[in-house]
Amino acid sequence: GEDVEQSLFLSVREGDSSVINCTYTDSSSTYLYWYKQEPGAGLQLLTYIFSNMDMKQDQRLTVLLNKKDKHLSLRIADTQTGDSAIYFCAESLRDSGGYQKVTFGTGTKLQVIP
Amino acid sequence: KAGVTQTPRYLIKTRGQQVTLSCSPISGHRSVSWYQQTPGQGLQFLFEYFSETQRNKGNFPGRFSGRQFSNSRSEMNVSTLELGDSALYLCASSLEGGAATNYGYTFGSGTRLTVV
Repeated sequence: GEDVEQSLFLSVREGDSSVINCTYTDSSSTYLYWYKQEPGAGLQLLTYIFSNMDMKQDQRLTVLLNKKDKHLSLRIADTQTGDSAIYFCAESLRDSGGYQKVTFGTGTKLQVIP
Repeated sequence: KAGVTQTPRYLIKTRGQQVTLSCSPISGHRSVSWYQQTPGQGLQFLFEYFSETQRNKGNFPGRFSGRQFSNSRSEMNVSTLELGDSALYLCASSLEGGAATNYGYTFGSGTRLTVV
């Protein structure tokens, strides 16, 4: 497909783990990113993974990359109410002009129930 | 280190008018990209400027234009505004452009444009 796809909504209870999934478009993507957007704010880079990695852990965040299926996931351990936000995955790949271009997913709204 | 600054934060315009939005990137960043965010379409890429040159452009009509100055500050302009242009316009800066590094983009807080 041509779009980076994410499910629109996820609801979890505080203290549980959250898993946000993403299907990206191009297996030659160099970097894949997860961004977080809180209400009224821009996007904040949470973490990234380089395309030759399968997994990356950063404190409560774990990123898994399946290049064969072009699937990216973000796991948030011990989810807190402050994690409530919209999460975007994004891929960076080289376009026909030779420049890197970033394409964002549709965003997943995470709701954390106290 | 100052972040990405977008001005104004909020704007209300009438159909048919034009508008100019401003973005000051992080000091030292040479690339500025613009995105339109709407509930229905998500984040749509408008264009990217690098060292005062437009390096990449999304699928938007010619009413949407931009420029970048020698100090890397960027402006985008929308002429003949339509109701559908109501959106959050986000600016993102990066060192080299395209964010093909582990640094990714740094986003501003956006300009909320409402067209009435």
